[in-house]
Amino acid sequence: SQQGEEDPQALSIQEGENATMNCSYKTSINNLQWYRQNSGRGLVHLILIRSNEREKHSGRLRVTLDTSKKSSSLLITASRAADTASYFCATDAVTSGSRLTFGEGTQLTVNP
Amino acid sequence: GAVVSQHPSWVICKSGTSVKIECRSLDFQATTMFWYRQFPKQSLMLMATSNEGSKATYEQGVEKDKFLINHASLTLSTLTVTSAHPEDSSFYICSARYRVGYTFGSGTRLTVV
Repeated sequence: SQQGEEDPQALSIQEGENATMNCSYKTSINNLQWYRQNSGRGLVHLILIRSNEREKHSGRLRVTLDTSKKSSSLLITASRAADTASYFCATDAVTSGSRLTFGEGTQLTVNP
Repeated sequence: GAVVSQHPSWVICKSGTSVKIECRSLDFQATTMFWYRQFPKQSLMLMATSNEGSKATYEQGVEKDKFLINHASLTLSTLTVTSAHPEDSSFYICSARYRVGYTFGSGTRLTVV
């Protein structure tokens, strides 16, 4: 069963604005990862944050992790039309045997 | 970086026929590969975990006789959808663990008519 829940389900913003997506999970994790998926395509790994990390940056991406609340957020700053895609969080749970569990995803639309 | 090549990217087949999907790790050895199914506007659901040289582990509710997985080498895993029906139409994606992350194939759009 899906462990992760994401909100919002859909987000529509203007170019240049920031986009924030949230993810919650239920069990203890080794790490949490964020992926991007363009329509009908495979997944692209964006960033991985380990359970002992609280914040991580990669270019215009900023990820936070709060293990006490079992939640994570992905911030995309200065968004571009090319950022339009679905974004998924995925957890590598302690008891999962390396199997990832994906959240429901957020469909981000960046309007030019 | 690590690349997983997945073929075909799309396939249309008649109801009752079988379809094979291949995933190859191009520049690394994938001891374990994961197979996911994704319905439109939904998330990825793990179907099974394939291990090189041993039987695949299927998730609850996934029929192992319908979705045959073979992982005969460290660089190739295949998923065969047997006796496909329209309800099997979906997007199938494979993935392999690489270092601490995962790399995904580009997916296969299966349409059963």
